[in-house]
Amino acid sequence: QKEVEQDPGPLSVPEGAIVSLNCTYSNSAFQYFMWYRQYSRKGPELLMYTYSSGNKEDGRFTAQVDKSSKYISLFIRDSQPSDSATYLCAMRTGGNTPLVFGKGTRLSVIA
Amino acid sequence: ETGVTQSPTHLIKTRGQQVTLRCSSQSGHNTVSWYQQALGQGPQFIFQYYREEENGRGNFPPRFSGLQFPNYSSELNVNALELDDSALYLCASSSGTGIYEQYFGPGTRLTVT
Repeated sequence: QKEVEQDPGPLSVPEGAIVSLNCTYSNSAFQYFMWYRQYSRKGPELLMYTYSSGNKEDGRFTAQVDKSSKYISLFIRDSQPSDSATYLCAMRTGGNTPLVFGKGTRLSVIA
Repeated sequence: ETGVTQSPTHLIKTRGQQVTLRCSSQSGHNTVSWYQQALGQGPQFIFQYYREEENGRGNFPPRFSGLQFPNYSSELNVNALELDDSALYLCASSSGTGIYEQYFGPGTRLTVT
């Protein structure tokens, strides 16, 4: 079993839809949870981060962490064609420890 | 403030050769991490340098080695290249105190034939 599982998709939605992206993990020591967006042939760009359980909202993006279920989510409201990218979940146990990534979910938002 | 830069953008090498990839950290950052991202996969941690010392390593063989310089720029060296080393190599820098602020460069795409 991989430490972090993420459905690779691809996921295709119409413009304006609400998108839900998810990851599960097995290591209960993970404390910090991140979502990165990666456009084709580019490096990952940090979108959202959350410490421990709870929700965090930033504009059209909401990140949720449920540590009891070892499950994290990213919601994108009013999705736009410019949101088309690969979304990577990542997590770490603490401090400046290495990031452990999921495989990434490829999202296409169709105009 | 400049971001993380990497060079070269892409390169092609033959199996058995050696390669050196370079990374310039974001201004003010003293920690550099290297990741390997195979096609269709998430990045995998190779190693991390903090103030010129390696302070963490992932599950990669010793033929993957690195350096960090006094200006906090970094190199990744790979000896005896194998076909499976073909990937996007990402460098990420952080301040050393930030627990989540790891900024990635655009990557170097390595193809081994």
